[in-house]
Amino acid sequence: DAGVTQSPTHLIKTRGQQVTLRCSPKSGHDTVSWYQQALGQGPQFIFQYYEEEERQRGNFPDRFSGHQFPNYSSELNVNALLLGDSALYLCASSALGQGTYEQYFGPGTRLTVT
Amino acid sequence: ILNVEQSPQSLHVQEGDSTNFTCSFPSSNFYALHWYRWETAKSPEALFVMTLNGDEKKKGRISATLNTKEGYSYLYIKGSQPEDSATYLCAFMTTDSWGKLQFGAGTQVVVTP
Repeated sequence: DAGVTQSPTHLIKTRGQQVTLRCSPKSGHDTVSWYQQALGQGPQFIFQYYEEEERQRGNFPDRFSGHQFPNYSSELNVNALLLGDSALYLCASSALGQGTYEQYFGPGTRLTVT
Repeated sequence: ILNVEQSPQSLHVQEGDSTNFTCSFPSSNFYALHWYRWETAKSPEALFVMTLNGDEKKKGRISATLNTKEGYSYLYIKGSQPEDSATYLCAFMTTDSWGKLQFGAGTQVVVTP
């Protein structure tokens, strides 16, 4: 079992550009959540996808959007990048459809906006 | 308390010593409390999920307790080893926002030989 995988590992973008981050959940999991971790802070919840729909959303602007595919993998898109979007983006998977709430994390994607 | 708070922010421990640190969370609408260990350049690793008041969990030399009425959890490391060096995160889940983890900023533990 490969666990939760994320790509790319690192990414450098320019202010105003758009970025797409990818996540593959742990085998058997149907739910993907995305978190942003800025320096010195704990991870902040962005949104959660289940059955290809956004189920919950944190306090993030509409520039942050996502998608879940039929194979349960997910993408996080950020438009009009700001310097403040520089952070580690974590993906977590869980088996919501089985009624469990334990979340397993990937290693993250480090996004740097210059 | 409105958010999850962890203290202390960092901790230096001598190898072989025991230590503990705190996670405080809002006591209303409690559903679950999660503990994670996060080593540099790795994925956060789930340690415990605790749901019941008075719950105690143990994994090797690491254990945790939970008090949902007063809104706190303690994590204990007995006989610290250098491999215990990591950031320990707690995350709170409420009944009205099930599946969303609200994290503290973490306690960074450094164990020196």
